[in-house]
Amino acid sequence: DVKMTQSPSSLSASVGDRVTITCRASLSISDYLSWYQQKPGKVPKLLIYSASTLEKGVPSRFSGSGSGTDFSLTISGVQPEDFATYYCLQTRNLSLYTFGQGTNLDI
Amino acid sequence: QVQLQESGPGLVKPSETLSLTCTVSGESLTFGYFWDWIRQPPGKGLEWIGSVYHAGTTYYNASLRGRATISVDTSKNQFSLRLSSVTAADTAVYYCARDRTRRLDSWGQGTLVTVSS
Repeated sequence: DVKMTQSPSSLSASVGDRVTITCRASLSISDYLSWYQQKPGKVPKLLIYSASTLEKGVPSRFSGSGSGTDFSLTISGVQPEDFATYYCLQTRNLSLYTFGQGTNLDI
Repeated sequence: QVQLQESGPGLVKPSETLSLTCTVSGESLTFGYFWDWIRQPPGKGLEWIGSVYHAGTTYYNASLRGRATISVDTSKNQFSLRLSSVTAADTAVYYCARDRTRRLDSWGQGTLVTVSS
């Protein structure tokens, strides 16, 4: 099974900061990685897929990078609406998708 | 634009079977994607439960130890989840989602299922 280690578990930032969240896979997953944003009481929203492709309609301040085992999500210039929990998801193996533990981004 | 909506009982007794249905509108289930179930216990992270293809192929999270069954009804454009022998640990918000080439790009609003006597 592929295990995903997401860090940090929580992160404090100010508006305008550049923040980076990382996910490490226990074995290579190529670029089968996506990132999701979830606000309290809301549905997760797809931000990035294939490790670095921005989903349509997502602001360009969000970016993703990585391949193999190490991945990152960067927000360049955090906005008030970005304070949320972020999850990575590996989809390398159709028979077991795995989410990271989540990163809570707060002010 | 595709829309998904979960439905089913909000309360299930321990040891019984949880049954949920996801109704898809705006796109046919036979278009060619997988359709997934994901859950989130209160205050915790997301857990992938499994997926189904319109032709019936299914995949499941092995951690559920065979308790989950996902099926599809293309005539109603719905897919369903059954989770047997539930315990309090299965209390969660259950989401259905479209699995578009290995990314979950459309989600239902989620439905809270509580396991309690």
